[in-house]
Amino acid sequence: KAGVTQTPRYLIKTRGQQVTLSCSPISGHRSVSWYQQTPGQGLQFLFEYFSETQRNKGNFPGRFSGRQFSNSRSEMNVSTLELGDSALYLCASSPTGNLYEQYFGPGTRLTVT
Amino acid sequence: DQQVKQNSPSLSVQEGRISILNCDYTNSMFDYFLWYKKYPAEGPTFLISISSIKDKNEDGRFTVFLNKSAKHLSLHIVPSQPGDSAVYFCAASLNTNAGKSTFGDGTTLTVKP
Repeated sequence: KAGVTQTPRYLIKTRGQQVTLSCSPISGHRSVSWYQQTPGQGLQFLFEYFSETQRNKGNFPGRFSGRQFSNSRSEMNVSTLELGDSALYLCASSPTGNLYEQYFGPGTRLTVT
Repeated sequence: DQQVKQNSPSLSVQEGRISILNCDYTNSMFDYFLWYKKYPAEGPTFLISISSIKDKNEDGRFTVFLNKSAKHLSLHIVPSQPGDSAVYFCAASLNTNAGKSTFGDGTTLTVKP
């Protein structure tokens, strides 16, 4: 099976702009989670979607939003970008049989200038 | 309050010896624990997991030990190989939020030939 894919891999945006990141999960996986990784920090949970419904949400401001489509593909949107949003954004999908185990994509490196 | 902590940012071992990576957690409700490995420019890769009903799980060269009373888990790699050099993340989940994992900050393992 193909792994989790994320597009784009790299992105440079200006403060105040908005950005949309895309994630395609492993075929058959219905759970998609998003994480933010900043230098020197571990992965911070953003949100999780399952069958188009947001099931869990982390402690991020409302500028961070997401959605999931009927084919399980997911998008994450960040509005009014701030310099501190510069990070690696990772998407992970989980098989329905074991939602704990997450399979990560390579990430989207977002730089806000 | 960081619920999952990896107190050693880095670890260096000789090829063929044992690598022991440690992880502590504060939330006694966590019931599933995982280890991930991450190479530069790639997303984390699931390595091994353990349920809170067990105290040991083994998969080839990798063994995870769980001490619930101490709220501590460890990953043993025997024998260590240069290809094991990577950042290792410990993660914990609740059964009510299986798609959401809480990660430690990671430990960089270097295995010297």
